[in-house]
Amino acid sequence: KQEVTQIPAALSVPEGENLVLNCSFTDSAIYNLQWFRQDPGKGLTSLLLIQSSQREQTSGRLNASLDKSSGRSTLYIAASQPGDSATYLCAVSLPNFGNEKLTFGTGTRLTIIP
Amino acid sequence: NAGVTQTPKFQVLKTGQSMTLQCAQDMNHEYMSWYRQDPGMGLRLIHYSVGAGITDQGEVPNGYNVSRSTTEDFPLRLLSAAPSQTSVYFCASSSFNEKLFFGSGTQLSVL
Repeated sequence: KQEVTQIPAALSVPEGENLVLNCSFTDSAIYNLQWFRQDPGKGLTSLLLIQSSQREQTSGRLNASLDKSSGRSTLYIAASQPGDSATYLCAVSLPNFGNEKLTFGTGTRLTIIP
Repeated sequence: NAGVTQTPKFQVLKTGQSMTLQCAQDMNHEYMSWYRQDPGMGLRLIHYSVGAGITDQGEVPNGYNVSRSTTEDFPLRLLSAAPSQTSVYFCASSSFNEKLFFGSGTQLSVL
């Protein structure tokens, strides 16, 4: 059974710092990996999707990397801002499935201190 | 473009009652899914669909039914509500190998 782990569960950093969020998964036979953002009381917003054949994806100040062989992904946030405060979740698709069947981590709650 | 629309946003039920959570998307996505989110347990898949007329069970399907008569709609039915079904429910949709879009969620309390 695929298991997805995100450590730490919570992280606080001063505004302006660069930071890295971690995601690990037990079965390397994934189809893709997504990073999501969730604000309190809201739904999830997909930030970046990395195909299994890719090593990284970038969107603005965000960069996500994928190392399938080691079962790890990182989300790098550059020049953090208070508006980045949210919970960040990663999710992987199971082998032979697409986005209809994802396994999620429990998330990292990020607080950016002004 | 409304995206994924879920109704209601909040619901309180008594044990044994039944209800339907509605989900509709206007992006012509073939894939739709229902998740529940509980503290400390992350999101868990309840049921999913890969197209109209096709549904299958996820990780925690007991006590829930789904149907997919159209591409746009994917309702989730609670047959006989139990306190263990108190949770936040999310509907999601996507095209093959594209980003997943989520609804804003339904907060359900079963007393």
